[in-house]
Amino acid sequence: NAGVTQTPKFRILKIGQSMTLQCTQDMNHNYMYWYRQDPGMGLKLIYYSVGAGITDKGEVPNGYNVSRSTTEDFPLRLELAAPSQTSVYFCASSYRTINQPQHFGDGTRLSIL
Amino acid sequence: DAKTTQPPSMDCAEGRAANLPCNHSTISGNEYVYWYRQIHSQGPQYIIHGLKNNETNEMASLIITEDRKSSTLILPHATLRDTAVYYCIVNKGAQKLVFGQGTRLTINP
Repeated sequence: NAGVTQTPKFRILKIGQSMTLQCTQDMNHNYMYWYRQDPGMGLKLIYYSVGAGITDKGEVPNGYNVSRSTTEDFPLRLELAAPSQTSVYFCASSYRTINQPQHFGDGTRLSIL
Repeated sequence: DAKTTQPPSMDCAEGRAANLPCNHSTISGNEYVYWYRQIHSQGPQYIIHGLKNNETNEMASLIITEDRKSSTLILPHATLRDTAVYYCIVNKGAQKLVFGQGTRLTINP
């Protein structure tokens, strides 16, 4: 059982480039989330989705876009990479039922130079 | 969601119980207390959660005070693999978790 899978694990981008961070889960979870974690800090929610076709902003959505065309996949798009987006990005998923724990992927380490 | 306060760091000897405190004095009646941990730079791992009763699972125990303004996570027999950052989170329904800076727990041999 793979759980939550994120690709790539590492990436270096130049300022102004764009890229998509991939996230897929095989647990049939309705809810999916994207977080970022800056060095020495806790995680901050970027976007989340309660089901296919539905997305909503979290705490720090600026500079990012998401889509949820299937239950399994929740890609995160950076359109114009900026140095402030250098961070570790975590994807998570959970069941719809209230109070179900979130399951996290291993993260994508992104550097913008 | 209520804010939480945790000590920035703690140490514990291997084999002893690790007791991690968390203050959440502004918690409301329908908010749960969740604990996650993050080992090295891996993704966070769910540990346990509770509303007002004490809870226990295979990983840990959660003790919530009667007024619900604070709680303690107990790792009964800490091992070196329990070295991690532990996050106490108060939330209504487990979605949109707000992570603070947590407690960096170091288990010493």
